[in-house]
Amino acid sequence: EDQVTQSPEALRLQEGESSSLNCSYTVSGLRGLFWYRQDPGKGPEFLFTLYSAGEEKEKERLKATLTKKESFLHITAPKPEDSATYLCAVQAPRSGGYNKLIFGAGTRLAVHP
Amino acid sequence: NAGVTQTPKFQVLKTGQSMTLQCAQDMNHNSMYWYRQDPGMGLRLIYYSASEGTTDKGEVPNGYNVSRLNKREFSLRLESAAPSQTSVYFCASSEASGTWKFFGPGTRLTVL
Repeated sequence: EDQVTQSPEALRLQEGESSSLNCSYTVSGLRGLFWYRQDPGKGPEFLFTLYSAGEEKEKERLKATLTKKESFLHITAPKPEDSATYLCAVQAPRSGGYNKLIFGAGTRLAVHP
Repeated sequence: NAGVTQTPKFQVLKTGQSMTLQCAQDMNHNSMYWYRQDPGMGLRLIYYSASEGTTDKGEVPNGYNVSRLNKREFSLRLESAAPSQTSVYFCASSEASGTWKFFGPGTRLTVL
């Protein structure tokens, strides 16, 4: 069964304390892995797409990496404004007319000054 | 350029009542989607529309119907609301079904 698991469920960091969020997946024939950021009361906002093992993408203090079984979102020297829920989604092979997208439950990140 | 807009932002219904959630996008995207988000679970696809004039069921379509009114608008209807439909509903759009999605701000629905 296609599945996406994110860990930890919640993470509390001090400002400047670097860490990583994990997204592990089981899907046959990965078509892409997406990272989104979601602020409270708002819709998810796209961050990165990764397509193949070894690929990396960076944006400000965030860097996403991909292996054959998991992805990491590394946060370097986080600031309070990085506090949000981070969602991972995996795109499975096309089924019918749709590229199925499977979301994880997310990691709630709180960065304290 | 507003992106994806949704109305209403909040709604409270009684069991058995009906309502329609509205969604519009101004990015000329072909594909549109309705998701629901429940605590502790990932976003789940209710219905999608790969292009204007087509709609298909997603993972959790029971109790819902959709209409792709034109390329911009995609509505979600609850014919007879049930407490299990209490959730936050997100509309999204993308250029094609395999590309990353723009999400709307969500509708928080409570069914009593």
